[in-house]
Amino acid sequence: TQLLEQSPQFLSIQEGENLTVYCNSSSVFSSLQWYRQEPGEGPVLLVTVVTGGEVKKLKRLTFQFGDARKDSSLHITAAQPGDTGLYLCAGARTEKLTFGTGTRLTIIP
Amino acid sequence: ETGVTQSPTHLIKTRGQQVTLRCSSQSGHNTVSWYQQALGQGPQFIFQYYREEENGRGNFPPRFSGLQFPNYSSELNVNALELDDSALYLCASSFHRGGGETQYFGPGTRLLVL
Repeated sequence: TQLLEQSPQFLSIQEGENLTVYCNSSSVFSSLQWYRQEPGEGPVLLVTVVTGGEVKKLKRLTFQFGDARKDSSLHITAAQPGDTGLYLCAGARTEKLTFGTGTRLTIIP
Repeated sequence: ETGVTQSPTHLIKTRGQQVTLRCSSQSGHNTVSWYQQALGQGPQFIFQYYREEENGRGNFPPRFSGLQFPNYSSELNVNALELDDSALYLCASSFHRGGGETQYFGPGTRLLVL
């Protein structure tokens, strides 16, 4: 059973455009983490959000945790080719992380 | 600060063989979690080790087993390898606070079962 659904699964946009990736669940998580993964490498942590309604900014990336702590979004402003990669959300509850299906983002120069 | 390291980076085995993968946790961390990531999918939780004992397990058969050592490093052992065990195996470390902690991942071990 996949508890975390990410959308879209694939996204290909031009450099300079904005985009939003969604991570939705019917379950409540104590925290939610966003990772970016390059081919053949481990996921690299981008941010952890803990409080419902929390918004965190990391340069051109804005992360939001839903009020009910069931969903999250990642917004990228003025996308650059270096943003290309697999973006994974992961909900934390007890000892394990439950990962979403992933969004494969390609930024076209 | 030393990050999470894993060895080996790549491994090729045949069906029925056994494999041991190793992980060194990030300095200051006392908990290690293992995940399996099949091609094109998100990582799936295998189990977690804290205080040298299993502290939670995902939906994996008993032929997947592990160990944690006093220095918090860990091993993942898989017996009777099957073709579907081919995947990227990821280790993540964290500091145990009762659940929901941020986990930091190693680069992974790519296992191919022929």
